[in-house]
Amino acid sequence: AQKITQTQPGMFVQEKEAVTLDCTYDTSDPSYGLFWYKQPSSGEMIFLIYQGSYDQQNATEGRYSLNFQKARKSANLVISASQLGDSAMYFCAMRDGNSGGYQKVTFGTGTKLQVIP
Amino acid sequence: DGGITQSPKYLFRKEGQNVTLSCEQNLNHDAMYWYRQDPGQGLRLIYYSQIVNDFQKGDIAEGYSVSREKKESFPLTVTSAQKNPTAFYLCASSMGLLKHEQFFGPGTRLTVL
Repeated sequence: AQKITQTQPGMFVQEKEAVTLDCTYDTSDPSYGLFWYKQPSSGEMIFLIYQGSYDQQNATEGRYSLNFQKARKSANLVISASQLGDSAMYFCAMRDGNSGGYQKVTFGTGTKLQVIP
Repeated sequence: DGGITQSPKYLFRKEGQNVTLSCEQNLNHDAMYWYRQDPGQGLRLIYYSQIVNDFQKGDIAEGYSVSREKKESFPLTVTSAQKNPTAFYLCASSMGLLKHEQFFGPGTRLTVL
């Protein structure tokens, strides 16, 4: 069974500083995809970044980067130069082929990030 | 504009009543999903559908039912058998391949009185 673990229920970061949000995963499928989403207080889910298990390089999207350590099964999100608008819940998610033929997506419990002025 | 719509945004029902949450997408996505989110918690998968007329139970399907008669629509019924239905419900869709992200609707907040 696939499993996503986010061990940080809440994090604080000073504005303009970088922050790392942790995510570890467990799957026996060699082919899988990892996603990060942001959920502001309004409730909508916003896709941030994707990392495939066979991707040779760590994914980057603007101020977001993914520190992918395959052997350790970790996919940490790094946000550089934090802004007040980054305050939100952040969810790590995984899709693999073990169940649902790559359709089933499992989410972690999330990390609440608060950016301090 | 392409996207996912959920209606209504807020829904109040009396205990023991069935209620149906609407989810429509015009993104031409094959896969659609329903998630439940409780305060301060992550998303838990209720049901998902890969193609029309086919759907699978997720991790917390008990007390819920779905249908997928059209590619664009994936309504969720919360039945009276669901013990604690008050929650935030999110619908999503995706192309369904490994690398494709999910697109989410704005959600429906259901309160059972």
